[in-house]
Amino acid sequence: EVQLVESGGGLVQPGGSLSLSCAVSGFPFTDYPMHWVRQGPGKGLVWVARISHDGTYTSYADFVKGRFAISRDDAKNTLSLQVNSLRVEDTAVYYCVRDSRNYGVDFWGQGTLVTVSS
Amino acid sequence: QSALTQPRSVSGSLGQSVTISCTGTSSDVGGYNYVSWYQQHPGKAPKLIIYDVTKRPSGVPDRFSGSKSGNTASLTISGLQAEDEADYHCCSYTGTYTTFVFGTGTEVTVL
Repeated sequence: EVQLVESGGGLVQPGGSLSLSCAVSGFPFTDYPMHWVRQGPGKGLVWVARISHDGTYTSYADFVKGRFAISRDDAKNTLSLQVNSLRVEDTAVYYCVRDSRNYGVDFWGQGTLVTVSS
Repeated sequence: QSALTQPRSVSGSLGQSVTISCTGTSSDVGGYNYVSWYQQHPGKAPKLIIYDVTKRPSGVPDRFSGSKSGNTASLTISGLQAEDEADYHCCSYTGTYTTFVFGTGTEVTVL
């Protein structure tokens, strides 16, 4: 069974940082690109970042470039997202999502809530 | 990349059909046959119900169907059930650095 379990969210002040993690199991992690997708309160889903199956290539939504960094630790089956210089508008549930390897995404974690507020 | 446009809400009675539209551009929906749909119940993670415009993952009821015409994709739910009440999100591949764009989301209410 595919399982994606996020952690690391919390309350942080504007300008602060957090490190989000996603523990993966149930499939060969090293075979799949991975993504982070976020959802603001009462809002739609927004794609944030992608990392290739081997960690060689990363890509980001324009609104996070330079502030967020996606990475993976294949030895620990873990996906990470370092979020820096946080803004109030970054408040959202952040989901760890598996790439379907067919120009889409398929399995989602339950998400971790990041709240940016003073 | 602007979000794909979906109606904010649609509703239908038990057993009826509803269709949700998802409008993009020739750079996303119109340019690729890689549109997917996700169902999200309140407080839950999204679940894939349609991929590659028309295909259903195993276990998804056949009352869910997808289609596309030009820059607009559609999800039809036939024979509405109470458990279909949820938010639905479309998503399209954009061909740019292997990224994706999601829709604005649609709330489906079963009357």
